[in-house]
Amino acid sequence: KAGVTQTPRYLIKTRGQQVTLSCSPISGHRSVSWYQQTPGQGLQFLFEYFSETQRNKGNFPGRFSGRQFSNSRSEMNVSTLELGDSALYLCASSPGPPRGEQFFGPGTRLTVL
Amino acid sequence: TQLLEQSPQFLSIQEGENLTVYCNSSSVFSSLQWYRQEPGEGPVLLVTVVTGGEVKKLKRLTFQFGDARKDSSLHITAAQPGDTGLYLCAGIFGNEKLTFGTGTRLTIIP
Repeated sequence: KAGVTQTPRYLIKTRGQQVTLSCSPISGHRSVSWYQQTPGQGLQFLFEYFSETQRNKGNFPGRFSGRQFSNSRSEMNVSTLELGDSALYLCASSPGPPRGEQFFGPGTRLTVL
Repeated sequence: TQLLEQSPQFLSIQEGENLTVYCNSSSVFSSLQWYRQEPGEGPVLLVTVVTGGEVKKLKRLTFQFGDARKDSSLHITAAQPGDTGLYLCAGIFGNEKLTFGTGTRLTIIP
């Protein structure tokens, strides 16, 4: 079974731009969660989608948004990029609630210049 | 906001030594997970503990869940270079959001 895939793996943007990251979950998994990982703040929860509905949201500004498609693939968007948005963005999938093991992708490394 | 504090933040020991990593919170978890993350990869689940006082063993790794379900520990016996990585605890609280700890970066020196 293929694992969670994330594209692109690396991305360089400049302040003020916007970016869209993509995540394909494991086949059959309906829940997708997004996390931001930085050296200073660690791994922080962004949001979770299940069956195209946002179930939970972390404490991030409205510049961070996401969505899930009918095939469970998910995208997250960050608008008006700031230097502090530089991070590793991780996507994780699970079969669905109740909460079980999260299967993580390798992440997208975003650098904002 | 639930916080999970891990200690130590960094740990560097010789191969063959034993070590313990701690994960603490002021809130009660409904369950707790331990993950290991290696460079360039996402975290990988090692274990899930659910019952207060529960002990689980995974080869040389022993995981313990506190009786009050507010803390957990990971003990590694006879550490090997392959144990090197970032160890993360993650707690599930009543709202079902998975909250990750601050992480322990472990380096095993051959």
